[in-house]
Amino acid sequence: QSALTQPASVSGSPGQSITISCSGTSSDVGTYNYVSWYQQHPGKAPKLMIYEVSNRPSGVSNRFSGSKSGNTASLTISGLQAEDEADYYCSSYTSSPLVFGTGTKVTVL
Amino acid sequence: QVLLVQSGAEVKKPGASVKVSCKPSGYTFTNYYIHWVRQAPGQGLEWMGIIYCRDGSTIYAQKFQGRLTMTRDTSTSTVHMELSSLRSEDTAVYYCARDQGVGDLDYWGQGTLVTVSS
Repeated sequence: QSALTQPASVSGSPGQSITISCSGTSSDVGTYNYVSWYQQHPGKAPKLMIYEVSNRPSGVSNRFSGSKSGNTASLTISGLQAEDEADYYCSSYTSSPLVFGTGTKVTVL
Repeated sequence: QVLLVQSGAEVKKPGASVKVSCKPSGYTFTNYYIHWVRQAPGQGLEWMGIIYCRDGSTIYAQKFQGRLTMTRDTSTSTVHMELSSLRSEDTAVYYCARDQGVGDLDYWGQGTLVTVSS
């Protein structure tokens, strides 16, 4: 099972919106509506930010939103804040049964 | 509150085995799955495998087949991950994480650093 493809880095200024893509195949992202997104700050464990494509766990800011089209899922962060600077990973349920994305470093300029 | 507490850091020699434990609390142990995910220094997340805490059934990533064993002890509500034939490339932080069964890892352990060095 190959990793899902994410851009290595995305940057934006405070207040702007950014979108991170997560490209998979018809065997994972394209078939299952079980795409999750995780935020990881340096030296910390990952934190679930979005589950089942577009749902936010309790306590996660509504500035984070998720969507999916075909084999590609996306995470959008609106109103970018300094605290959003972190690594972000997508994951998808598959027959394997789980695969992670390659990870995206978000930089707040 | 839900917590997953992992065992402490380990240093192992190449060829040895390591066993990392994960003790969840704050929920009914047997109602959930536990995943193991690792992260090599400066690298991304790598899925290793999953265990169903109710019946102990497991699925391992193909990459770790034959070297990875996950077990659970319902009497102590603890999950164990054992990786054998260690090599330097296995140096990583190993995480356990809870899942209801559809890949949403909603709570994570603090991570356990395993260093493989001669």
